[in-house]
Amino acid sequence: EIQLVESGGGLVQPGRSLRLSCAASGFIFKDYAMHWVRLVPGRGLEWVSGISWNGVSRGYAESVEGRFTISRDNAKNSLYLQMNDLRVEDTAVYYCAKVRAPVVYYYMDDWGRGTTVTVSS
Amino acid sequence: NFILTQPHSVSESPGKTVTISCTRNSGSIASKYVQWYQLRPGSSPIIVIYEDNQRPPGVPDRFSGSIDSSSNSASLTISGLRADDEADYYCQSMDSSNVVFGGGTKLTVL
Repeated sequence: EIQLVESGGGLVQPGRSLRLSCAASGFIFKDYAMHWVRLVPGRGLEWVSGISWNGVSRGYAESVEGRFTISRDNAKNSLYLQMNDLRVEDTAVYYCAKVRAPVVYYYMDDWGRGTTVTVSS
Repeated sequence: NFILTQPHSVSESPGKTVTISCTRNSGSIASKYVQWYQLRPGSSPIIVIYEDNQRPPGVPDRFSGSIDSSSNSASLTISGLRADDEADYYCQSMDSSNVVFGGGTKLTVL
């Protein structure tokens, strides 16, 4: 059974940093690209970032470009999202999602349960 | 970047059929595959349609997808509506450097 378990969310002040993690199991992690997608209250699902199977290709939404960094450790079956200079509008549930292929821009077929990030003073 | 526009909400009675649209504002809807995700409160998104009209294993054949180049839109059709179909539904597509979600449609089964 495929499992994606996010962690690292919490309450943080604007301008601060947070690092999210996603532990993957039940599939060969290194063979698939991965994404972070967030569910923003009142706005719905928003793509945040994606990374190819080997970490070479990465993509970011305009709203997070330059502030967020996606990475992965295939030896640890883990995906990460370093979030710097957080803003109130980054408040959301953050999901880790597996891609159906090794390349970034393909559909997501499995999702984690999410971790909540609240940015507030 | 392009935008995918969905109706904010739709409602229908149990046993009936409902269709949710997803219109692309620029570029051809046929240029990149469209996916549909179901999101129930407190749960993770579940893919119900991929590559315009393909159903993943385990998704009932009451769910179907299509695209219409004349209206530059995609559609998700759910027949034989059940109470547990009540959820938010999101269309999604992409280009060479972006993943785009529609704004979501809240389906209410009356």
